[in-house]
Amino acid sequence: DAKTTQPPSMDCAEGRAANLPCNHSTISGNEYVYWYRQIHSQGPQYIIHGLKNNETNEMASLIITEDRKSSTLILPHATLRDTAVYYCIVKSGGGADGLTFGKGTHLIIQP
Amino acid sequence: GAVVSQHPSRVICKSGTSVKIECRSLDFQATTMFWYRQFPKKSLMLMATSNEGSKATYEQGVEKDKFLINHASLTLSTLTVTSAHPEDSSFYICSARANLGSGRAYEQYFGPGTRLTVT
Repeated sequence: DAKTTQPPSMDCAEGRAANLPCNHSTISGNEYVYWYRQIHSQGPQYIIHGLKNNETNEMASLIITEDRKSSTLILPHATLRDTAVYYCIVKSGGGADGLTFGKGTHLIIQP
Repeated sequence: GAVVSQHPSRVICKSGTSVKIECRSLDFQATTMFWYRQFPKKSLMLMATSNEGSKATYEQGVEKDKFLINHASLTLSTLTVTSAHPEDSSFYICSARANLGSGRAYEQYFGPGTRLTVT
């Protein structure tokens, strides 16, 4: 079973910041928070991951709460091409296991 | 960097035939690759873990004799769907696990997927 909870869908206006929440209240100390997205009929795309510090890369920022029970993925200036299903996944960083995908959040960017 | 390719992107085959799907890591070596399946409007489901030079590990409910996996090199894994049936029609996606260096978590990079249709 997926260990994360995400809203099933969200809308965001083009050019605005998209903030996607994820609850992972049972996360353990050695588990990272990963974010992937899947555009229709394509393979998932890695976005970002973090352990406890906030992270930023060229695609997004990841804000993890101090108790690590939730996180937020931020797309700073959403474009139409950011419309996709976004998956929040927790797993140990060094593990050899595959990823367990939940239902994700379908983010729709409105023009 | 960290590009994964799959071939073919689409395949249509007749019921009872076998189909091979290739997954390649183009710019990194992957000791571990994963195979997923995705039905329409559903999330990805892990089928098996493929380790270079050893037998694949299958998830519960996935028939190892039907879905043959070979990971012969550090950049290539293949999935063969044997005696395909219409219910095997799905989107098959592979991923490769990349080691980005000491102290960093592994990341998985996904291929573009293969759409299999069995008629």
